[in-house]
Amino acid sequence: ETGVTQSPTHLIKTRGQQVTLRCSSQSGHNTVSWYQQALGQGPQFIFQYYREEENGRGNFPPRFSGLQFPNYSSELNVNALELDDSALYLCASSLGGGHTDTQYFGPGTRLTVL
Amino acid sequence: SQQGEEDPQALSIQEGENATMNCSYKTSINNLQWYRQNSGRGLVHLILIRSNEREKHSGRLRVTLDTSKKSSSLLITASRAADTASYFCATIVGNDMRFGAGTRLTVKP
Repeated sequence: ETGVTQSPTHLIKTRGQQVTLRCSSQSGHNTVSWYQQALGQGPQFIFQYYREEENGRGNFPPRFSGLQFPNYSSELNVNALELDDSALYLCASSLGGGHTDTQYFGPGTRLTVL
Repeated sequence: SQQGEEDPQALSIQEGENATMNCSYKTSINNLQWYRQNSGRGLVHLILIRSNEREKHSGRLRVTLDTSKKSSSLLITASRAADTASYFCATIVGNDMRFGAGTRLTVKP
């Protein structure tokens, strides 16, 4: 157990809808990164939040947005859902911005878009 | 898009044997990390190796990095059934982190 929790565990949405996924970081960590993992693929970096500010973004469109709260928990919002958004969404917390510190991953949220 | 490519895509060995997985990448990196993932769940960080390092060890794990060939390898010695998982390399360039598609390792008891 890493101490990183994600909710919900599973989610089913239809095309065009909006979804919010949540992540609680490990105690003392101020950085949260989000990843999308399609079936049979490696994770793809969506973005990272460090002390409530976006601190790097992968190749994802603006309909993928996020927030980090003062307690360092985070949300991932996806608007106008597409079928290809079906994936496992992983968050990871770490201490310090960037990717040089060990990241602790949550169990993920499985999103299915119909 | 993914930068790293793991080789082989799948590997099946007997318990007690060694497993070697390779990762190749395309651009210069700051560091490279290896992760393990069991059955589509969260990833577990194994080792980070910086671009100025050539080899690192952690328990039964040994990672090498050859920046001239843009490649890394992960060696698991004396494998156990519990090592059955997918293994990913991830390259870090600035604030961007890119994973490969992974190697699926099966260790038969």
